[in-house]
Amino acid sequence: GAVVSQHPSRVICKSGTSVKIECRSLDFQATTMFWYRQFPKQSLMLMATSNEGSKATYEQGVEKDKFLINHASLTLSTLTVTSAHPEDSSFYICSASTSGGAYNEQFFGPGTRLTVL
Amino acid sequence: AQSVAQPEDQVNVAEGNPLTVKCTYSVSGNPYLFWYVQYPNRGLQFLLKYITGDNLVKGSYGFEAEFNKSQTSFHLKKPSALVSDSALYFCAVRDKGRVLTGGGNKLTFGTGTQLKVEL
Repeated sequence: GAVVSQHPSRVICKSGTSVKIECRSLDFQATTMFWYRQFPKQSLMLMATSNEGSKATYEQGVEKDKFLINHASLTLSTLTVTSAHPEDSSFYICSASTSGGAYNEQFFGPGTRLTVL
Repeated sequence: AQSVAQPEDQVNVAEGNPLTVKCTYSVSGNPYLFWYVQYPNRGLQFLLKYITGDNLVKGSYGFEAEFNKSQTSFHLKKPSALVSDSALYFCAVRDKGRVLTGGGNKLTFGTGTQLKVEL
């Protein structure tokens, strides 16, 4: 099956620093990648959708200058949390989707736990 | 707009008994429906999906779900629960019409149902 990895799985950083999270599709080409944020005991909230080679589309209320998304290749997307603050602490999950077909199933990564001190 | 409702925050079941996790949806067109499971500190694992065809969909680990268009429901079921089934379950929907017209393949998730299976 399709495998999506995320790195790192867990990161702790100081307030004011930037953190980069990588999302990779290991055995397929992902034209579209999604970034979600999940608070404890809550559902996944879509942050942004990125298509390879173009700018990401952000959901309402998500600061694009704070959550920088790059989708430079068909197998890699990165999310950079700039000037992180404690309220950015969360579980970040990416998913990847292929093009083609009437339905594009999303394959999820294992998530990254970000803790900002 | 599309939405998903999972009316139960938690479902408790004894091992060996059947389980049902409820999900209802709302889309403007025809739906694509999905169930995912999440274990603590892990990403989502795909269980099953309904795209078209038979209303009863069979998925991983013995789970199945029935698409009911008139009730706009897609309840997740398993005939005999296991303690290892204890996890957080998410229902998700995508509007088929929006996918076909290039409007995007955004998934909308329910709030999740915590399933607890006890001995």
